[in-house]
Amino acid sequence: AQSVTQLDSHVSVSEGTPVLLRCNYSSSYSPSLFWYVQHPNKGLQLLLKYTSAATLVKGINGFEAEFKKSETSFHLTKPSAHMSDAAEYFCVVSLSGGYNKLIFGAGTRLAVHP
Amino acid sequence: AAGVIQSPRHLIKEKRETATLKCYPIPRHDTVYWYQQGPGQDPQFLISFYEKMQSDKGSIPDRFSAQQFSDYHSELNMSSLELGDSALYFCASSTRTGNTEAFFGQGTRLTVV
Repeated sequence: AQSVTQLDSHVSVSEGTPVLLRCNYSSSYSPSLFWYVQHPNKGLQLLLKYTSAATLVKGINGFEAEFKKSETSFHLTKPSAHMSDAAEYFCVVSLSGGYNKLIFGAGTRLAVHP
Repeated sequence: AAGVIQSPRHLIKEKRETATLKCYPIPRHDTVYWYQQGPGQDPQFLISFYEKMQSDKGSIPDRFSAQQFSDYHSELNMSSLELGDSALYFCASSTRTGNTEAFFGQGTRLTVV
């Protein structure tokens, strides 16, 4: 069965410092993996997507994630945090390879301090 | 650009009442998904529709039903509401072909009192 585990429920960084949000997945086959961001009172927005092409995936707003099959990980990184990055981030796996039946991780709340 | 529209944005109902949530997908999107996000929880897949037919079913209670209409908008009907149904309900839409991105609406916050 497919599942995702986000290793940190809260991450706090200073503005201008790197961001690392950790995600491990479990899948019986090559998965499709996503990172979504949810700002307060907003809908979910897709940051980036991995679908068995390049293992390093670049997304919007300077975020990127690297798919590591040997570690079953899909960690999200950004070199320099901005105040506007403060939000809830969800690592997501797809059961079907597409956008149907997305399985969400528990989420990581990112706080960015001045 | 047009986004996914959900209405109402907020809804307060009493226990045992019914509620209807509406979702208007992005134009030319033929697939709609419904998710439920309880307080402090991650979104859970409820049900999806493609070309007005149910395509997948998740953890949707039997008290809930949904359909997609000829104009591709979808409605989630919830009956015999329980306190535990209080949640943020998201709708997303995409095109079935080409594995395109699913765009989410801002959600309907349902509070059952």
